[in-house]
Amino acid sequence: DGGITQSPKYLFRKEGQNVTLSCEQNLNHDAMYWYRQDPGQGLRLIYYSQIVNDFQKGDIAEGYSVSREKKESFPLTVTSAQKNPTAFYLCASTQGTGANVLTFGAGSRLTVL
Amino acid sequence: GQQVMQIPQYQHVQEGEDFTTYCNSSTTLSNIQWYKQRPGGHPVFLIQLVKSGEVKKQKRLTFQFGEAKKNSSLHITATQTTDVGTYFCAASGTYKYIFGTGTRLKVLA
Repeated sequence: DGGITQSPKYLFRKEGQNVTLSCEQNLNHDAMYWYRQDPGQGLRLIYYSQIVNDFQKGDIAEGYSVSREKKESFPLTVTSAQKNPTAFYLCASTQGTGANVLTFGAGSRLTVL
Repeated sequence: GQQVMQIPQYQHVQEGEDFTTYCNSSTTLSNIQWYKQRPGGHPVFLIQLVKSGEVKKQKRLTFQFGEAKKNSSLHITATQTTDVGTYFCAASGTYKYIFGTGTRLKVLA
């Protein structure tokens, strides 16, 4: 079955450490997204990528970095510069341009100790 | 930037009661999408509305897009415990999606 795989599902990190969240999709979708969700909150866009080797900052990109070396993969690195990284991180993808449906992965829950 | 407001933030209903969540934008939207996120889960697409005044139904769910394309609503008739979750609206552009803050629905059996 096609879908988006995020790993790890749960991650604990010490302050000052960088951590990378994996996102892989086999839907052949062009665009990929990273969202952050805090308890009781909506989804805030961190980064998005329309095509390979290209990505744009979203609304809360500070303290995060991404890469898009392959169409299927869009990893997110949460750096030590991110002041409050504890959150639920969701990766999503869409097919091409226009008002397309977002398909989400199951999410990665990051806790900073 | 564009913002999408959603109300109420929380709603508790008795099983069998109706439920409505509202989504409002200060600017005209090209379209609006609705997603449902079960507790501990991820958002799942429900429906997309594109035309002014559009109404779509999915069993007990009724979705509306305002005439001015600045607001939308989701109405659930006779809620069931399976309806529990958070409902989000999202305004989509070419590549960016602006999500509402969500309405968390709790259904009391």
